[in-house]
Amino acid sequence: GQNIDQPTEMTATEGAIVQINCTYQTSGFNGLFWYQQHAGEAPTFLSYNVLDGLEEKGRFSSFLSRSKGYSYLLLKELQMKDSASYLCAVVGNDYKLSFGAGTTVTVRA
Amino acid sequence: IAGITQAPTSQILAAGRRMTLRCTQDMRHNAMYWYRQDLGLGLRLIHYSNTAGTTGKGEVPDGYSVSRANTDDFPLTLASAVPSQTSVYFCASSLKGGSASYEQYFGPGTRLTVT
Repeated sequence: GQNIDQPTEMTATEGAIVQINCTYQTSGFNGLFWYQQHAGEAPTFLSYNVLDGLEEKGRFSSFLSRSKGYSYLLLKELQMKDSASYLCAVVGNDYKLSFGAGTTVTVRA
Repeated sequence: IAGITQAPTSQILAAGRRMTLRCTQDMRHNAMYWYRQDLGLGLRLIHYSNTAGTTGKGEVPDGYSVSRANTDDFPLTLASAVPSQTSVYFCASSLKGGSASYEQYFGPGTRLTVT
């Protein structure tokens, strides 16, 4: 079975940094995706990690530790438009995505 | 405009009725997927297709069927709708199936209410 945990909600101030953690216990591991989903909209791709370490992409960075079953998404210089749900998804042995329930981030002025 | 389209946008359906949700992509992606999204549960895979002519079951396939007659279209059918199928349904596609690194592109979703 797949078990993917991430916090339900986080709140931060505009301009600040927020770190969204994701821990997983899955049947095999072939990579981890982060998606962003604004309310009422489709998920959109943010990042993909398959090797340990930090991947930086502008204001967003994603980290993976395979030995710890752990990833985080780091959002820097928060903007109001970053208010959204962030979905952690693991690729298992069957090459299918298993999603966590998502973390809703609220950015306050 | 390249991407994935879904129809209808929303639907209220009486229990016991048959319903087909439509999904079309114009990116020539080989793999397509159907997910349902429920509050607190995240996205769950219903059915998938790695290439035209083939389909497979996901995590929650019961009560749903799919077909993949061509590359572009991947309809999802509820043969006899039940209230527990009330959800938001997302169709997605990726360049290749059965491979880890290809991101999935999602359609805008269909909000289905079964009464």
